[in-house]
Amino acid sequence: DIQMTQSPSSLSASVGDRLTITCRASQGISNYLAWYQQKPGKVPKLLIYAASTLQSGVPSRFSGSGSGTDFTLTISSLQPEDVATYYCQKYSSAPFTFGPGTKVDIK
Amino acid sequence: QLQLQESGPGLVKPPETLSLACTVSRGSISSSNYYWGWIRQPPGKGLEWIGSIYYSGSTYYNPSLKSRVTISADTSKNQFSLKLSSVTAADTAVYYCARQTRIVATPGWFDPWGQGTLVTVSS
Repeated sequence: DIQMTQSPSSLSASVGDRLTITCRASQGISNYLAWYQQKPGKVPKLLIYAASTLQSGVPSRFSGSGSGTDFTLTISSLQPEDVATYYCQKYSSAPFTFGPGTKVDIK
Repeated sequence: QLQLQESGPGLVKPPETLSLACTVSRGSISSSNYYWGWIRQPPGKGLEWIGSIYYSGSTYYNPSLKSRVTISADTSKNQFSLKLSSVTAADTAVYYCARQTRIVATPGWFDPWGQGTLVTVSS
């Protein structure tokens, strides 16, 4: 099975900072990757699918890129409401594995 | 807007079977564009995909759980269900159901999600 890793596992940044979270697949998955945001105590929310397509209603400060094995989620200007854990998920083939998550908080 | 709602017991004794249902409203599970999936999240941990089903009954299961999992769909009730047998404390988690977009005939991303239901496995 293809394994998904994320780095860093956690980070702390200031409001307005640019953040990049990396997701890596152990084998190529083309662009079959989604990103989710899970705020504390809340339900996961889809941010991006097909590696770079922003889900309707998601703020434009979020963007995704990558293909093959290496992917990134970027927050161009961190806002207080972005405090959350972010997960990637592959869907190139079953099993539809999630990454271990990256926890983001504010300094 | 499509809504999903999980239902079922909040407490299950080991080694019994965990049974949950997901009722879909404002949409149909018989749509050809979607699969329907189950995901779980142990307290304080990450997300684990359990399995997915198409309205016709075609299923995908996580290999790590496959021997214990059955997912079924009831189109007459617009509902799909999860059964997980021989549960242990390690199966304690919030269980989510979600719609999964069908991409070139296979499941894709999850959206939207149900609110989740906490299932505790304890004697």
